[in-house]
Amino acid sequence: DIQMTQSPSTLSASVGDRVTITCRASQSINNWLAWYQQKPGRAPKLLIYKASNLESGVPSRFSGSGSGTEFTLTIGSLQPDDFATYYCQQYNTFSQSFGQGTTLEI
Amino acid sequence: EVQLLESGGDLVQPGGSLRLSCAASGIIFTNYGMNWVRQAPGKGLEWVSGVGADGVTTYYADSVKGRFTISRDNSQNTLYLQMSSLIVDDTAVYYCAKGRGKVAKAAFDYWGQGTLVTVSS
Repeated sequence: DIQMTQSPSTLSASVGDRVTITCRASQSINNWLAWYQQKPGRAPKLLIYKASNLESGVPSRFSGSGSGTEFTLTIGSLQPDDFATYYCQQYNTFSQSFGQGTTLEI
Repeated sequence: EVQLLESGGDLVQPGGSLRLSCAASGIIFTNYGMNWVRQAPGKGLEWVSGVGADGVTTYYADSVKGRFTISRDNSQNTLYLQMSSLIVDDTAVYYCAKGRGKVAKAAFDYWGQGTLVTVSS
């Protein structure tokens, strides 16, 4: 199975900051990677699919990049609504897997 | 508007069984693969199982293989997860999630609100 490792696990930042979260796969997943945002008590929300494609309705301050085994999610200018937990997901194989999550806190 | 509504979560004893349902509306259900994802209390997301749009191809995480069965009724726009031989570690909120295409492996663009399964004696 493919293991997904996110870093950092926790990230402290301020409104207006530019932040980057990294996701590494234990083997190549081409660009079959998605990013989600989750707030407490809520279902996850898709932000990015196929590594760099912005989901409809997601603000343009979110962007994704990478291929193979290393990927990044960048938030261009943090807004108060962005403080949440972020997960990457590989769907290169039918046994899909998520990273352990990165909590973005003030 | 796309809606996924899970039901069936409950308190069950170890070794017991439970069937979860996910009713879909606002989509052409037969066009999309569907999945179940769970989240244990205070923990991260864990993919559990997926089924293709045709209902034939199914996939399972190793942690549930042989105990859980995913299925779908395309005439009723409903996804199911039959869970048996439940263990304490199965305790979680279970989400159904719609894939972006016909195959089960996909990014998930719509999620239900989740249903809580608690396995405890």
